[in-house]
Amino acid sequence: QKEVEQDPGPLSVPEGAIVSLNCTYSNSAFQYFMWYRQYSRKGPELLMYTYSSGNKEDGRFTAQVDKSSKYISLFIRDSQPSDSATYLCAMGHSGYALNFGKGTSLLVTP
Amino acid sequence: DVKVTQSSRYLVKRTGEKVFLECVQDMDHENMFWYRQDPGLGLRLIYFSYDVKMKEKGDIPEGYSVSREKKERFSLILESASTNQTSMYLCASRRGTDTQYFGPGTRLTVL
Repeated sequence: QKEVEQDPGPLSVPEGAIVSLNCTYSNSAFQYFMWYRQYSRKGPELLMYTYSSGNKEDGRFTAQVDKSSKYISLFIRDSQPSDSATYLCAMGHSGYALNFGKGTSLLVTP
Repeated sequence: DVKVTQSSRYLVKRTGEKVFLECVQDMDHENMFWYRQDPGLGLRLIYFSYDVKMKEKGDIPEGYSVSREKKERFSLILESASTNQTSMYLCASRRGTDTQYFGPGTRLTVL
């Protein structure tokens, strides 16, 4: 079983929809969680960083962490065509290298 | 703003050539990482370094070596490039458990 599981998609939604992206993990030692957005042929760009269970909001983005279920989510409100990208979840503990999901491809259609 | 830069965006090399990929970060981060990214395989860690002259193997170190002579610079070396090393190479840096920042990537093609 991989430590981090993420559905690769593709996920296609109409403009304005609420998008839900998810990752599950198996290692209960993970303490901090990140979401990245990656456009085609570019490096990943950090969207959200969370260190505890609960919700964190930044503009149209909300990151949710449920440590008891080992489940994290990223919600995108009022999705735009410019949100079309691959979204990667990442998580870690102590100062070790991060564990990444394989990414979910999102397409927002006008 | 944290900045991680990579020496080349696109690189084309021949089989057997020695290839150097350089990464520089400007935020005094102690940890630096090299990944490769391939369709369907996601990000895979090649090597990381937690201090000057210190290095640790990642998941796929075979065929690669690294050098970290200065804190801000982390180099990835392909001693003898092969076609199966054609990939997107991503450098990243981080302080402790803080956020990790990526460079723009180098798309390497080995012919």
